[in-house]
Amino acid sequence: GESVGLHLPTLSVQEGDNSIINCAYSNSASDYFIWYKQESGKGPQFIIDIRSNMDKRQGQRVTVLLNKTVKHLSLQIAATQPGDSAVYFCAEKWNYGQNFVFGPGTRLSVLP
Amino acid sequence: NAGVTQTPKFQVLKTGQSMTLQCAQDMNHNSMYWYRQDPGMGLRLIYYSASEGTTDKGEVPNGYNVSRLNKREFSLRLESAAPSQTSVYFCASRIRGRTEAFFGQGTRLTVV
Repeated sequence: GESVGLHLPTLSVQEGDNSIINCAYSNSASDYFIWYKQESGKGPQFIIDIRSNMDKRQGQRVTVLLNKTVKHLSLQIAATQPGDSAVYFCAEKWNYGQNFVFGPGTRLSVLP
Repeated sequence: NAGVTQTPKFQVLKTGQSMTLQCAQDMNHNSMYWYRQDPGMGLRLIYYSASEGTTDKGEVPNGYNVSRLNKREFSLRLESAAPSQTSVYFCASRIRGRTEAFFGQGTRLTVV
């Protein structure tokens, strides 16, 4: 079946650098794409979403880019901080659906 | 404002035992979800409830049952636990029409 996946399972970045976490999707019928952050021992926490008719959306220190041509989603974190260390999941919501399909996650480690 | 509360936080069961995982939200959300998270994998949907009085199967419903007791509470029952059900279980809720889901802290279940 169609699913959401990630290119890189782990990512290490220096504190202060920018981070880019990637995600590939295959369901063209998805109407929203969402990024979640999960810290150790906690439940996932919503970061930002993007509607399928957009190609870029910015939040506080984060930017999500959507490339529908190649079915690719990315999360950019500016000036990465130690508190950004976590597992990041992308998820997609199928059009008119009530549920979400999650990717396997990328672990972001911020090096001092 | 507690958000989404799950009980218990930890549980060890013997194969064949039954138990119910409890979830309650105080945000007046319509939709509620049960996910399981296994090492190295994303969250997989077990069951969801789009509104009070309705429940639907997700990706991995076998071996589970759910009850949407009222708008606040959504429970997950394992009738006869199996080692394959060893996992971390997350409950989530959201307002219909929005993508942001709020997750509980999780229940770590071990079946021996």
